[in-house]
Amino acid sequence: EVQLVESGGGLVQPGGSLRLSCAASGFTFSTYAMSWVRQAPGRGLEWVSSLTDNGDNTYYADSVKGRFTISRDNSKNTLYLQMSSLGTDDTAVYYCAKLVGAIDSWGQGTLVSVSS
Amino acid sequence: DIQMTQSPSSLSASVGDRVTITCRASQGISNYLAWYQQKPGKLPKLLIYAASTLQSGVPSRFSGSGSGTDFTLTISSLQPEDVATYYCQKYNTVPLTFGGGTKVEIK
Repeated sequence: EVQLVESGGGLVQPGGSLRLSCAASGFTFSTYAMSWVRQAPGRGLEWVSSLTDNGDNTYYADSVKGRFTISRDNSKNTLYLQMSSLGTDDTAVYYCAKLVGAIDSWGQGTLVSVSS
Repeated sequence: DIQMTQSPSSLSASVGDRVTITCRASQGISNYLAWYQQKPGKLPKLLIYAASTLQSGVPSRFSGSGSGTDFTLTISSLQPEDVATYYCQKYNTVPLTFGGGTKVEIK
């Protein structure tokens, strides 16, 4: 069974940084592209970032480009999202997602709250 | 970037009704279109991929159609457990844009 377990969310002040992690199990992590998707409170789904199976290619939404960095460690079956220069608009639940083209598995999400 | 527009943004229908949700891409995306269901307080769930392929385990009352720029998700007979917000998503290229969502309620 596929499991994606996010961690690292929390309350951070505007301008601050945070690193999210996603521990994957139940599938061959190193053979799948992965993504981060976020959902602000009461709002819709927003794609944030993706990277290829080997991590060589990374992609970002315009809203986070230059501030967020996606990465992975295939030896640890873990996906990361380094977030910096956080603003209140970044407040959301951040989901780790497994890509098969579409998203076939989602983590339970980790809440990031940006507030002073 | 390609924009994904869903309509309606919300609807209310009776149990047993046929429900149709539309998703329009601002440019052609072939059939690289997925539909997700998100029940209140729950994770999104993949319903349909490749515009019309039902994900394993999804009830057959759900169906998808379309290609290019215009797509539909149909629930042939609405059930109480179908109360949810439905999202389309393009996945031919990044950005993997979602539609704004359609909230489905029971009348």
